[in-house]
Amino acid sequence: DTGVSQNPRHKITKRGQNVTFRCDPISEHNRLYWYRQTLGQGPEFLTYFQNEAQLEKSRLLSDRFSAERPKGSFSTLEIQRTEQGDSAMYLCASSRSGEGSEFFGPGTRLTVL
Amino acid sequence: RKEVEQDPGPFNVPEGATVAFNCTYSNSASQSFFWYRQDCRKEPKLLMSVYSSGNEDGRFTAQLNRASQYISLLIRDSKLSDSATYLCVVNPSQGAQKLVFGQGTRLTINP
Repeated sequence: DTGVSQNPRHKITKRGQNVTFRCDPISEHNRLYWYRQTLGQGPEFLTYFQNEAQLEKSRLLSDRFSAERPKGSFSTLEIQRTEQGDSAMYLCASSRSGEGSEFFGPGTRLTVL
Repeated sequence: RKEVEQDPGPFNVPEGATVAFNCTYSNSASQSFFWYRQDCRKEPKLLMSVYSSGNEDGRFTAQLNRASQYISLLIRDSKLSDSATYLCVVNPSQGAQKLVFGQGTRLTINP
C-alpha cells in the first residue's frame, strides 16, 4: 500500500497521560499536514511541514501539542497531559509542492477517559 | 462567521434523483477549491477540484462563483454508493498551505 499510513489506528488513554501518533506520508510527497476532526465537523488544520521544517501552526495547537518531522519523511504528533477535550480523530495528509489537493491517511482515533 | 459554510443536511433522496449542494466561503482571496467525500469512519478523499470554468466528472459537476463566493456540487442519477458526507474545501490564500474544510453535508441515497 503506497498511501498515507497512520499508527496506531485507535488509542484509549486516561486523562493526564501523554500520547504519540505516527504518520508515514506518500513517499514522494514533501508536504505533510496534521488535522483534527470531531464528530459532525470537518477536519481542522493543526500544523504543516515542508520537508523537515514546520512552517505553520494553528492556534488550536496548544503548548501541550508538539509535532516533529525530523528527517522530512515520517512525522509524529505528541499530546502531553491529555484532556477529555482532546478526544478526536487525528488525520495526517500529504501532498507534493504545488499541488493543492492532499491525500489523507486513515486517522488515529483518540479517546481520553 | 465560519470560513467555509455548508448546510449539514442530512439530505435524503431517492436513487436516481439529482441532488445539489452549495457552499460559501468568506475569504475573497481564496485560491483553490475542492470537494472531498468522506464515508462513515473513513478518511476524506478528494472527489474533484473546482475550477472557475466549472468542471464535470461523470455524474458529478462542480462550479465556482467567485463574485458570490460560493461553490456547488451537482450529482446526477444518484446511486446508493453516493451516500456519504461531502466536504467543501478551500485553500484560503496563495501563501497558505492548508485546507479549510466546511462542516460537511451528509447525503443518504435511498433505494
